[in-house]
This record gives sequence, structure tokens and C-alpha cells, in this order.
Amino acid sequence: VQVLESGGGLVQPGGSLRLSCAASGFTFSNYAMHWVRRAPGKGLEWVSAISGSGGSTYYADSVKGRFIISRDNSKNTVYLQMNSLRAEDAALYYCAKFPDYNGMDVWGQGTTVTVSS
Amino acid sequence: SYELTQPPSVSVSPGQTARITCSGDALPRKYAYWYQQKSGQAPVLVIYEVNKRPSGIPERFSGSRSGTMATLAISGAQVEDEGDYYCYSTDSDGNVVFGGGTKLTVL
Repeated sequence: VQVLESGGGLVQPGGSLRLSCAASGFTFSNYAMHWVRRAPGKGLEWVSAISGSGGSTYYADSVKGRFIISRDNSKNTVYLQMNSLRAEDAALYYCAKFPDYNGMDVWGQGTTVTVSS
Repeated sequence: SYELTQPPSVSVSPGQTARITCSGDALPRKYAYWYQQKSGQAPVLVIYEVNKRPSGIPERFSGSRSGTMATLAISGAQVEDEGDYYCYSTDSDGNVVFGGGTKLTVL
């Protein structure tokens, strides 16, 4: 059971980046998936979530209108399209399946996004 | 927007009980969850649904709730329990909210 994030990197302010998260070991389409970030010196911040079917999406106020979450259940992959990036978006971005009724959760090791000119 | 409030830091001596609180108006109606995060590592779930302990988490970790406050207790805290602890819950729209985090020091 694991998720593996990719797609992080250095981007200029105002630029775009797409993160990917490939999941394995569980029935991907049954579960909502989340993106959580931790900026340097800050705490965990929930960013976005998408339902198992992809029909419902949720965003933190700080990214609403700039980030888009999506998923491809045929590829067991969830994406985060990040547009109009700001310095304050720089962080380690985690992909996660939050705990189910059995307390089973899955987190990746994260992918780093740096926003700088 | 909905907020969960945690103390920035808690410090105990080894063997003592560490208590970390998390307050939020919706906690009487919403589950609280607790994560431990050590430097350079992904978060680890230590308590879910207020007071349930995931497989593999030591019995010294426990959770409780009273009114608008959830509490994580670590009985007989050990040096290895040091790290940042985060509560999370959901708001009325179903969005996830994390507390600001509490740095636990055991020395």
C-alpha cells in the first residue's frame, strides 16, 4: 500500500506546475484522495481533496481558483494542477489517503515545490 | 473559516504524561484525528475517530474528547515521542482542517 508523488520543482511566481500521485495496493477508486502541504517553518495545511469517483472536489480558501485537483482511476493517479503560483505556495506537497473506519491511511514522502524568480 | 487551536509547544520529562489539546467549535459533532510528524518524515496517524488507536501504535497513546476540546495523551512519554503533533477534523462543508501543530519535547 503506497502512494508516490512526483512533479515538484522550481517555478517562477505566476507560473504553473502539475503534481502527480500514483497509488498502489488498495482499491483506488473507492477512496477520496487529498493533497496536504507543509511550508518551511510552518505546520501541515490541507490543500485539496477529490472524491473516489472524481465527481466532488474540495479546496482550501488559500488555493481556490488557482489549483485544480483531478484523478484518473484507470491509472490509479491523482493530480494537482497548480496555476498562478505564489511564493507562499512553496512547500513539501504530500498526497494522502486519509484514515478509513479501520484507521488505515497512506501518505507519500512528498514532492517539493519551490516558487522563486 | 473554521479553525482548530493547539498549544505551540508542550514539554515533559521522560515517564510523565504529555497532554496536547485541540479546540474547535465543531468538535462535539465531528471526529478528531491526531498525527505525529518527525523531522524529514511523513506524518504518522496515532489516533483516529477521537479515541481509536491504529494498529502498531503503542498503548501509551490515547485520545479523548470533552465538549469543544479533543486531547491526545501520551502516558509515560519517551524521548522517541518527540516531534510535531497535529489534530485534524472537518468543517461543516466537509473540508479538512488541521490544527496549527504542537511541538512535543521530552527531556
